Amino acid sequence: GQQVMQIPQYQHVQEGEDFTTYCNSSTTLSNIQWYKQRPGGHPVFLIQLVKSGEVKKQKRLTFQFGEAKKNSSLHITATQTTDVGTYFCAAVNSGGYQKVTFGTGTKLQVIP
Amino acid sequence: NAGVTQTPKFRVLKTGQSMTLLCAQDMNHEYMYWYRQDPGMGLRLIHYSVGEGTTAKGEVPDGYNVSRLKKQNFLLGLESAAPSQTSVYFCASSYWAGLGETQYFGPGTRLLVL
Repeated sequence: GQQVMQIPQYQHVQEGEDFTTYCNSSTTLSNIQWYKQRPGGHPVFLIQLVKSGEVKKQKRLTFQFGEAKKNSSLHITATQTTDVGTYFCAAVNSGGYQKVTFGTGTKLQVIP
Repeated sequence: NAGVTQTPKFRVLKTGQSMTLLCAQDMNHEYMYWYRQDPGMGLRLIHYSVGEGTTAKGEVPDGYNVSRLKKQNFLLGLESAAPSQTSVYFCASSYWAGLGETQYFGPGTRLLVL
């Protein structure tokens, strides 16, 4: 079945440093979504990528979809303490009911 | 709009007890989902529903049952709770599960099975 792996599992960064999390799928995807979950909270949708090679930016966050539509990355420039949380990718497969498979998540800690 | 709500927020059960988790959404969404979240495992889909009166199994359905008698409600039942079902349970809904509809999550239910 569909496997979606995220690396790293945990990341500690000093405030102001950059951060990147990677999402890899075993199959080609229709699209990919990214969610953020604050400590004690619930996942909240950030963005969706659909096209091969697509790059989208939200302020300090840059999202990229691989050319083969099997991998994606989220890069945060100059992290802030408000970036703390767990970032999940969610892979959407094509064909029939498009089931969403969440990645294992990357937990980000930002040290002030 | 309240969005997606879940009750209860927290529950402690003894092994073998039963309970029902309630999820309600007021966004007129067709699709609803139940996930469990465990450390290092991400979100795993338990059951989902593509519309009123329909349900389907997800990745980890064993030990759980669901019902979608009304469009706005999705119930998750544990008939005989086991310690392995200690987890945080999230309900989510989406307008449709086509290309790119986002999922809206409830606040979660923390369940501890002793």
